[in-house]
Amino acid sequence: DIQMTQSPSSLSASVGDRVTITCRASQGITKSLAWFQQKPGKAPKLLLYAASRLESGVPSRFSGSGSGTDYTLTISSLQPEDFATYYCQQYYTTPYTFGQGTKLEIK
Amino acid sequence: EVQLVQSGAEVKKPGESLRISCKGSGYSFTTYWINWVRQMPGKGLEWMGRINPSDSYINYSPSFQGHVTISADKSISTAYLQWSSLRASDTAIYYCARSLVGGTSWFDPWGQGTLVTVSS
Repeated sequence: DIQMTQSPSSLSASVGDRVTITCRASQGITKSLAWFQQKPGKAPKLLLYAASRLESGVPSRFSGSGSGTDYTLTISSLQPEDFATYYCQQYYTTPYTFGQGTKLEIK
Repeated sequence: EVQLVQSGAEVKKPGESLRISCKGSGYSFTTYWINWVRQMPGKGLEWMGRINPSDSYINYSPSFQGHVTISADKSISTAYLQWSSLRASDTAIYYCARSLVGGTSWFDPWGQGTLVTVSS
């Protein structure tokens, strides 16, 4: 199985801050990586796919980058609605695997 | 609008059986895998397996193989996740999510989730 190591596990930040979350795969996944946002009591929501492609309707303050085994999600200027938990996921091969999540909290 | 609508919350006792459902609408049901994902209370996301509704081909995660059964009825655009004997540790929210058949594909959209509570 491909292990996805996401960091940090939690993060405190303020509105307007720039934040970065990283995800490392245990082997190369050729950009077959998605980022999801999950708010309490809600299903995960797709933000980006193919490592850097923004899902329709997602604000442009979200961006992704990376290749091989290392990937990042960046939020350029945090908004109040961005405080949530974020997950990366590799869909390169089954069994598909998720990072352990990053809880983004208000400082 | 593409939607996955899941069946409602369930409360069961250990040893009981259960089947939950996920109905797709707004797209060609046989063109997309249906994936099942578990989220235990306060925990992260775990992929359980997927089914191709066109031919009912199934991939299971080794972590779940043998404990759950995935199936689908393409005539009614519905996929199922079932247990023959529930355990307390099956208490979780279960999500279905769509991904395109053929090549690598991300999950979008997701169903709203089904909360399964197993308690004596």
